[in-house]
Amino acid sequence: AQSVSQHNHHVILSEAASLELGCNYSYGGTVNLFWYVQYPGQHLQLLLKYFSGDPLVKGIKGFEAEFIKSKFSFNLRKPSVQWSDTAEYFCAVIRFDRGSTLGRLYFGRGTQLTVWP
Amino acid sequence: GAVVSQHPSWVICKSGTSVKIECRSLDFQATTMFWYRQFPKQSLMLMATSNEGSKATYEQGVEKDKFLINHASLTLSTLTVTSAHPEDSSFYICSATPIGGSYNEQFFGPGTRLTVL
Repeated sequence: AQSVSQHNHHVILSEAASLELGCNYSYGGTVNLFWYVQYPGQHLQLLLKYFSGDPLVKGIKGFEAEFIKSKFSFNLRKPSVQWSDTAEYFCAVIRFDRGSTLGRLYFGRGTQLTVWP
Repeated sequence: GAVVSQHPSWVICKSGTSVKIECRSLDFQATTMFWYRQFPKQSLMLMATSNEGSKATYEQGVEKDKFLINHASLTLSTLTVTSAHPEDSSFYICSATPIGGSYNEQFFGPGTRLTVL
């Protein structure tokens, strides 16, 4: 079955700790990969995306993610988190079906990150 | 730029009534809008893809007669939940793709929380 898996449902860290959120997907074809963030009471915002090229992509607010094709993974990282990073983080994948550029955006179930000051 | 709004943000209705949710792109025109549904602690699930001036494309398992979508202009799409029942209670999120953009570029609304009593 097609799926996007986020391994951690709730992560709790202290400020300045390093962060890594796991994301794995199960599609074998062409994919585009995304991380979205949803701050409390706000809408989903794009953190970063990978289409092609350098598998290490940098996003806003010091976040980065690495695409490892052999592992079907796209883990999100930040070397030093801040209290303001408290939010829900969603990994998402667009799979391009054969013969069509109409992508379907599939989301993981999300990871709630809580950062204590 | 690229702001998407939804109205209402929160609605409670009685079982058997219909509820209309609006999704508007405020500062851009959108050829395509998407409707998602999110259950608590679960991922966003794509319900349908809505193109201006044509019929929506529904995902497998989504009842088109239950969830009526109208995309009458380049800045407005509506989702009507007909004869709502408690199991329709959920968080409904729309997104929009600007004209000339690709499905990779979706801007999300803040969501509408529907509670059916």
